[in-house]
Formats: sequence, C-alpha cells, structure tokens
Amino acid sequence: SQQGEEDPQALSIQEGENATMNCSYKTSINNLQWYRQNSGRGLVHLILIRSNEREKHSGRLRVTLDTSKKSSSLLITASRAADTASYFCATDTNAGKSTFGDGTTLTVKP
Amino acid sequence: GAGVSQSPRYKVAKRGQDVALRCDPISGHVSLFWYQQALGQGPEFLTYFQNEAQLDKSGLPSDRFFAERPEGSVSTLKIQRTQQEDSAVYLCASRYRRVSTDTQYFGPGTRLTVL
Repeated sequence: SQQGEEDPQALSIQEGENATMNCSYKTSINNLQWYRQNSGRGLVHLILIRSNEREKHSGRLRVTLDTSKKSSSLLITASRAADTASYFCATDTNAGKSTFGDGTTLTVKP
Repeated sequence: GAGVSQSPRYKVAKRGQDVALRCDPISGHVSLFWYQQALGQGPEFLTYFQNEAQLDKSGLPSDRFFAERPEGSVSTLKIQRTQQEDSAVYLCASRYRRVSTDTQYFGPGTRLTVL
C-alpha cells in the first residue's frame, strides 16, 4: 500500500510558469524526499526535508513540510521544458526504506 | 565514482521461466534496496539489505521472489516461475549508511516483461 499520495496526478503548464505539486501521507515520518523520473529512466533525488524542518530550497525548487497536516509541497519556479517528468514524494521511517506515492506527471510546454 | 548499475536493462521472459536481475550498488554503500514499479505507479518496496544481511523482506509479493547479497556488495533479485503480473520495472537503490537522512541513489532499473 502507498503511504504518500501526490496531487494533482497530472499537470500541464507553459514554460516560465511555476508548478506546484502536493503530497499527503498517513503516518509519522523521519523525513520526506522528492524525486524526479524521466520516462523510462531511474529516479533522481531532488531534495530531502527532515521532519523538524518546515521549508527547504534548492535552486528553482522549494519544498515545504507541514507535519501537523501530514503534507508536503514541491514548487518548481520558472519551469523549463526539461522539467517535464514525473515527480514522486517518498516518506522515510526508522526502517530506512522509502514509501512512495504514485506521482505527479508534469508537462512543460515550450 | 559510477552510480548504481543494473543489468540487464530489459528482460523478456516466457511465463514460467526463472529470471535473475543484478544490482551493483555504489562502492562502499552499506544499504541496498529493491523496489518494484508497475506502469503508471510509484515504486513499491520489496526488500532491504544492510551489508550481506537481509533485514526486511516484507515487500516480496510471494515466495517466488528471492534476493541475496552474499558479499555485501552486488545483489541479485531472482524471480522463479514468472507470471504476467510480475511485469514491471525493478529498481535497485543504495545508501551510504542505514540512516534515512542519507540520500538514496537509484539505478536505471530493469524492465521485465513476462509474456
């Protein structure tokens, strides 16, 4: 069973616009990670946010975490066609394994 | 300095055949994970090794699935008597340590198609 659920399932925007994806989860976590997956390829780690952090930035990426609502968001600013991919959130517990949602498919039109 | 590698990248098997999928983690990484990703879904945990010890195999869907990491480096996921529902991408990942704050690095995956 999946721990995280991403919303929306699919998102289509124009190049230059911002893209926001949300993730909700069910149980307590140690941290939450966001990954990108291009079609037919493995997952690329984007950013990790610990359970005691509320916001984190990395380049054009901004991640927030609200543990009281058990939710996280990923914001990609000034999107580019190369950002077209599927984006997954994954929650980690003490066991170290990751539990993924089903992802948001982002399409950035040039 | 290479990343996680997996072989083969693609495997086609007839129903009932046995298959073996290989994972070479990043050198020195203690933790190794196997995930199964069905089309259009997120990866689902299968099993986890710390060095050569298999500490968690709760995600293996049936006793036809078997994983090993005998020397604490390379790992093999074996599926016996493959079924059509085993068709998926099998992803391997490694972490430097067990702690969840370490980045998990994924391989490119093996796409298994069972006919």
